[in-house]
Amino acid sequence: DIVMTQSPLSLSVTPGEPASISCRSSQSLLHSNGYTYLDWYLQKPGQSPQLLIYVVSNRASGVPDRFSGSGSGTDFTLKISRVEAEDVGVYYCMQAPRTPFTFGQGTKLEIK
Amino acid sequence: EVQLVESGGNLVKPGGSLRLSCAASGFTFSNVWMNWVRQAPGKGLEWVGRIKSKVDGGTADYAAPVIGRFTISRDDSKNILYLQMNSLKAEDTAVYYCTGDHVLIAVGGMDVWGQGTTVTVSS
Repeated sequence: DIVMTQSPLSLSVTPGEPASISCRSSQSLLHSNGYTYLDWYLQKPGQSPQLLIYVVSNRASGVPDRFSGSGSGTDFTLKISRVEAEDVGVYYCMQAPRTPFTFGQGTKLEIK
Repeated sequence: EVQLVESGGNLVKPGGSLRLSCAASGFTFSNVWMNWVRQAPGKGLEWVGRIKSKVDGGTADYAAPVIGRFTISRDDSKNILYLQMNSLKAEDTAVYYCTGDHVLIAVGGMDVWGQGTTVTVSS
């Protein structure tokens, strides 16, 4: 199985400051069809998870452009250019080029 | 409105069975590959399994901890996804979410999630 490793596991950020989360996979996430199936999800307190970023760098509908995803192969990053209070929650990366799909451990973002 | 609504969660004894349902609306359910994802209390997300659309074969894949005990099925005539859970263990206690693969986007991503249903396995 592909192991996903996130860092840091927790983050405390002042509003308006940037934030960055790293996600590393134990194998390449490049599928034979040319897509790299790495997604980012945010679970806000008391809510279901929601898709933020899909196939590395595409923002889901309604996701503010302060969120961006990048990376390739086995090394990926989620960046928030200016953190806002509504960004609090737990961020997960997930690999999906092959089953079983696996999530990272989650990164908890708090506001200072 | 695109929506997934889970139901069927309950308190069940170890070794017991339970069937979860997920009612889909607002999109062409039969075309969508569907997943179950669970979250144990205070823990992270764990993918449980996925079923492809019938046009893509209709087969299901599962995470190792549930192989042989859980079965995912779908009724495209009713727009319902199911998760049959047998031989339940305490470690199956979790909130179970159903999700849809790229319902609103062209590729990748579970972009539609239900609100979750709670399964508690305890004597």
